[in-house]
Amino acid sequence: GAGVSQTPSNKVTEKGKYVELRCDPISGHTALYWYRQSLGQGPEFLIYFQGTGAADDSGLPNDRFFAVRPEGSVSTLKIQRTERGDSAVYLCASSPKGLGGEQFFGPGTRLTVL
Amino acid sequence: GENVEQHPSTLSVQEGDSAVIKCTYSDSASNYFPWYKQELGKRPQLIIDIRSNVGEKKDQRIAVTLNKTAKHFSLHITETQPEDSAVYFCAAQNTGNQFYFGTGTSLTVIP
Repeated sequence: GAGVSQTPSNKVTEKGKYVELRCDPISGHTALYWYRQSLGQGPEFLIYFQGTGAADDSGLPNDRFFAVRPEGSVSTLKIQRTERGDSAVYLCASSPKGLGGEQFFGPGTRLTVL
Repeated sequence: GENVEQHPSTLSVQEGDSAVIKCTYSDSASNYFPWYKQELGKRPQLIIDIRSNVGEKKDQRIAVTLNKTAKHFSLHITETQPEDSAVYFCAAQNTGNQFYFGTGTSLTVIP
């Protein structure tokens, strides 16, 4: 079946602009995670959804970052007033269950803020 | 919160030799420990995982060991092949369902 997909694959924007990154999880997966990965680093946890609700958003770096998952499937990560330091690969992962469940990663969105 | 440390950051081995990557974690309540392989420009792929009620798990050339008392776990790759060359990440999942990743090990297998 189809894996996790993310769009766009690449996004170039200017400092101060607003961006939205989309994640389509594997059908039926209740858990969804967003990560940020900078060059040479491991994925950094941002936010975790169980169903429609954000079960844990403690990894969001500041209030410019927000994510939604209104129907418990597709999720959108929103970044306001982008800064050059936001440049990274944003990874989404889904899991059929929460605790102890294997994560399946999407291909990521490479965000470049000029 | 959880803190995961991973060593070494780079590792070169001759084809056919073994490779060992080690991770430590800080939260004794963490209970699920996956290992991921990430090739350049690709997504992380799960290669093996272990849960806190198990001390060792093996899948062909790959094995993972877990020492809960010492809070460390290791990845062992035997009979390495050039296609094993990639960046490997360990991770720990805590009871809050968050995953914390190590900083990665770049493995190069020299033919």
